[in-house]
Amino acid sequence: GQSLEQPSEVTAVEGAIVQINCTYQTSGFYGLSWYQQHDGGAPTFLSYNGLDGLEETGRFSSFLSRSDSYGYLLLQELQMKDSASYFCAVDSNYQLIWGAGTKLIIKP
Amino acid sequence: GAVVSQHPSRVICKSGTSVKIECRSLDFQATTMFWYRQFPKQSLMLMATSNEGSKATYEQGVEKDKFLINHASLTLSTLTVTSAHPEDSSFYICSASRRGSGGAGVPEQYFGPGTRLTVT
Repeated sequence: GQSLEQPSEVTAVEGAIVQINCTYQTSGFYGLSWYQQHDGGAPTFLSYNGLDGLEETGRFSSFLSRSDSYGYLLLQELQMKDSASYFCAVDSNYQLIWGAGTKLIIKP
Repeated sequence: GAVVSQHPSRVICKSGTSVKIECRSLDFQATTMFWYRQFPKQSLMLMATSNEGSKATYEQGVEKDKFLINHASLTLSTLTVTSAHPEDSSFYICSASRRGSGGAGVPEQYFGPGTRLTVT
């Protein structure tokens, strides 16, 4: 079967750093994407890793290790507006296979 | 950026009626469009993959005669929920895909804002 696992909920303090992990088991793999979804809205694309290593985009970074079937999203200098659900998704030849999402709760 | 629009954003209909949802890529041509549905507090679930000019590919468990998909052009796909029932009430989200312009051809998928369907 195909599956992605990520924590259901993570809590952090404003200004801190948080890491959201994602492990996957899929029949095809081209890359790992991360999406952010605020309540009531559609997911928005954050980052994509097609190769091993770290991709940095502002306060957000994403890491991939294909040999470990593992990736993570790193959020720095957390702001209250970062409170949202974060989904990892495997790119399996134009189709995205989604994780269940991680709800990030940020406390002041 | 790439913008995907959906219309309507919210619709309330009576049981037994049909509802059509439009998905448009506004500033790019999308070779593939996807339709998802999302129940509260759950991840997106892919319903079908739609390629321009060909029949949509439905995921297992999705009734193709109930959820009609038409992909008439590279910028427009429609989802029609036929004979809607209360259990069809959900958040329907489309996305449009294109390969990026970079050397790696990173696949980019852009989501529409979603359509909230309520069937009474």
